[in-house]
Amino acid sequence: KAGVTQTPRYLIKTRGQQVTLSCSPISGHRSVSWYQQTPGQGLQFLFEYFSETQRNKGNFPGRFSGRQFSNSRSEMNVSTLELGDSALYLCASSVTSGGTDTQYFGPGTRLTVL
Amino acid sequence: GENVEQHPSTLSVQEGDSAVIKCTYSDSASNYFPWYKQELGKGPQLIIDIRSNVGEKKDQRIAVTLNKTAKHFSLHITETQPEDSAVYFCAASKNDYKLSFGAGTTVTVRA
Repeated sequence: KAGVTQTPRYLIKTRGQQVTLSCSPISGHRSVSWYQQTPGQGLQFLFEYFSETQRNKGNFPGRFSGRQFSNSRSEMNVSTLELGDSALYLCASSVTSGGTDTQYFGPGTRLTVL
Repeated sequence: GENVEQHPSTLSVQEGDSAVIKCTYSDSASNYFPWYKQELGKGPQLIIDIRSNVGEKKDQRIAVTLNKTAKHFSLHITETQPEDSAVYFCAASKNDYKLSFGAGTTVTVRA
């Protein structure tokens, strides 16, 4: 079974621009979570989607948004980019099995803001 | 929210020796504790997890222990090999899909 895929793998943007990242979950997985990874703050939860609905949200400004499509694919958008948004953005998908979920991560999208 | 502390931040061991990484969490409602291994240029890979109804879990050379009273859990790697060199993250969650991560431990296995 194919793993979680994220596109693009690398992205360079300038301050003030916006960016859209894409995540395709493992087949059959309906939950998609997004995390930001930086050297200073580590891995931080952004939001999670299940059946096209946002179920939970982390402590990030409104510039960070996401959505999920009917095929479970998800996108996240960052508007008005700041230098501090440079990070590895990770997507994880999960499926409920036996009443529990296990998250599987993709390789990430490396975003550099200049 | 949940706060997870992880120690040590770096760990160097001789090949064949054991490695132990410890984590503490703050939210007593947390009931799921996964461990991830991240290699350079890759996303975190789940290596083992434990839920609050279990005190210990083992998978070949890897084991995790959980002490809910003290709110800490540990990862044990025995007979370390060079391919065990990576960054290891502990995490805690009370709903499975929102993980709070520790800061990570860089493990180096010396040949």
